[in-house]
Amino acid sequence: RKEVEQDPGPFNVPEGATVAFNCTYSNSASQSFFWYRQDCRKEPKLLMSVYSSGNEDGRFTAQLNRASQYISLLIRDSKLSDSATYLCVVNGRGSTLGRLYFGRGTQLTVWP
Amino acid sequence: GAGVSQSPRYKVAKRGQDVALRCDPISGHVSLFWYQQALGQGPEFLTYFQNEAQLDKSGLPSDRFFAERPEGSVSTLKIQRTQQEDSAVYLCASSLAGEGNEQFFGPGTRLTVL
Repeated sequence: RKEVEQDPGPFNVPEGATVAFNCTYSNSASQSFFWYRQDCRKEPKLLMSVYSSGNEDGRFTAQLNRASQYISLLIRDSKLSDSATYLCVVNGRGSTLGRLYFGRGTQLTVWP
Repeated sequence: GAGVSQSPRYKVAKRGQDVALRCDPISGHVSLFWYQQALGQGPEFLTYFQNEAQLDKSGLPSDRFFAERPEGSVSTLKIQRTQQEDSAVYLCASSLAGEGNEQFFGPGTRLTVL
């Protein structure tokens, strides 16, 4: 079983829509959680960290449910420029400390 | 400012050839990571350096893969006797140090093995 499971989509939404992505992780000892964004044929870039209490950055809201080992990302008022692949990421623990575990990514296309 | 750079950006190799991929991390970043990203998948961890010490190489898929960072800055990932299944994008990332610090990724090297 992969460390991070994510629905690959694709999600196709109109501009202005609200869209939510989810992922689950397998290591209950994980402490650090992130959403990365990857544009086509580009490198991943950090979108936001995910904190236990939930956090917001403009139109983006991230939430963590430790009991269910579940992470979510909500995008409100989608823009054309939000079209990308969104990667759910969890940090390793113990002997794998430092490495990042990535989900396969969820592809989002926002259309006009 | 300068980010992580990688070279070459594209590499085509014939099966059985050896290749060397270079990563220049952000100046002052202690930690350096290599990941492999197959088409349609997320990046998969290969190996991790802290300064010149290779602390974790458990993600290297076979003994044909070798990485080094002899002076604690530039790193090279070498793949010997390349196989078609080695075709992927190889991403390098660097961070200040330790867990929790943001990893900054380079643009990757796209390796195609014919």
